[in-house]
Amino acid sequence: LAKITQPISMDSYEGQEVNITCSHNNIATNDYITWYQQFPSQGPRFIIQGYKTKVTNEVASLFIPADRKSSTLSLPRVSLSDTAVYYCLVVPWSASKIIFGSGTRLSIRP
Amino acid sequence: NAGVTQTPKFQVLKTGQSMTLQCAQDMNHNSMYWYRQDPGMGLRLIYYSASEGTTDKGEVPNGYNVSRLNKREFSLRLESAAPSQTSVYFCASSPRDGESYNEQFFGPGTRLTVL
Repeated sequence: LAKITQPISMDSYEGQEVNITCSHNNIATNDYITWYQQFPSQGPRFIIQGYKTKVTNEVASLFIPADRKSSTLSLPRVSLSDTAVYYCLVVPWSASKIIFGSGTRLSIRP
Repeated sequence: NAGVTQTPKFQVLKTGQSMTLQCAQDMNHNSMYWYRQDPGMGLRLIYYSASEGTTDKGEVPNGYNVSRLNKREFSLRLESAAPSQTSVYFCASSPRDGESYNEQFFGPGTRLTVL
């Protein structure tokens, strides 16, 4: 199972681009990389998922290098409402072995 | 379309008591999951069900049992609650067709305290 490492916390300001990097050295060939967002007292919400290179949606971009041992979630022009915990997830073929990282607590300041 | 619903929202138990957490989804998803989240921690998978009638252990299954009653409902039972089971419990579902990973949709959670 892939061991996941991500920063415990990050601070930024409104309007800035925020990049959160996740390390997953033991990622397997069939694993996908997924990011979730969680607000206090709520369940996590899916942000983005990728396998390699770059994926972009209306909320974020996900950059995955060729060796796939790390990934970077990029949030463009953050606002106060982006203050949340962000989880990096490595999803193997068998769903019973889903691993959530410890999460990165992102705080956005005015 | 309510998505994933969980009952109850809050529960306080005494050590040794039993209870069942209920989860239902109305999105016709195949897969359902139970997670627990301890304060300041990430989510840990307790049990998983790929389809009606099938269940599989996750990372922390000890002390729990599950039942996939039908495609919509997936319950989690604590037979003899312990203080170590104090946590927030989240149910989730995904369309997962067995060929690729799909997005998981989470319920609002159940806050359980065991005294």
